[in-house]
Amino acid sequence: GAVVSQHPSRVICKSGTSVKIECRSLDFQATTMFWYRQFPKKSLMLMATSNEGSKATYEQGVEKDKFLINHASLTLSTLTVTSAHPEDSSFYICSARVIDRAYEQYFGPGTRLTVT
Amino acid sequence: AQKITQTQPGMFVQEKEAVTLDCTYDTSDPSYGLFWYKQPSSGEMIFLIYQGSYDQQNATEGRYSLNFQKARKSANLVISASQLGDSAMYFCAMRSLLTGGTSYGKLTFGQGTILTVHP
Repeated sequence: GAVVSQHPSRVICKSGTSVKIECRSLDFQATTMFWYRQFPKKSLMLMATSNEGSKATYEQGVEKDKFLINHASLTLSTLTVTSAHPEDSSFYICSARVIDRAYEQYFGPGTRLTVT
Repeated sequence: AQKITQTQPGMFVQEKEAVTLDCTYDTSDPSYGLFWYKQPSSGEMIFLIYQGSYDQQNATEGRYSLNFQKARKSANLVISASQLGDSAMYFCAMRSLLTGGTSYGKLTFGQGTILTVHP
């Protein structure tokens, strides 16, 4: 299957700082990438849909000014958690959809964010 | 709106035996896809199997099979000959295949089932 990478895999930051998480599709192009958040032993909650060359679409209740998403190319989307607080600590997972293949969607390995 | 329900928070199975993980769904879309993912403790989401709503036959992938009952809106995952490495969290998910719909491309996940395989 296709490969999606995320960087960093783990990050610890201080409250009030910003953190950027990268999601890359390594061997395919993805016009659409998705960002999820997951709490321990819970389900994945979709935060936003990232579209290449246009603004991201955020799910209800997700603050777009706090979770900045940029999809600058067909292989890269970034999520920036601005002014992070301890309640932002979570596991963030991205996924990328293969162009023209509705059922093919691949996930990155996730990024564990801890805000102290 | 789409909804996925997994009613089994945890399941236990003996090694080499088969296990069924339940999944029911609700959608008003005429065309949709159903997925199962495995998430080990490392956190990565591993795609297991896919079933399209118009597929006539139940999907199979190695030891995984999907028992698709459209009228009952269920898409249970059957794992045959369980292995210790199957211990993980399993998620059922669905996506609308209706092009242009507001839910197109978005995966909706169930609550997950933690499967533990005993030796």
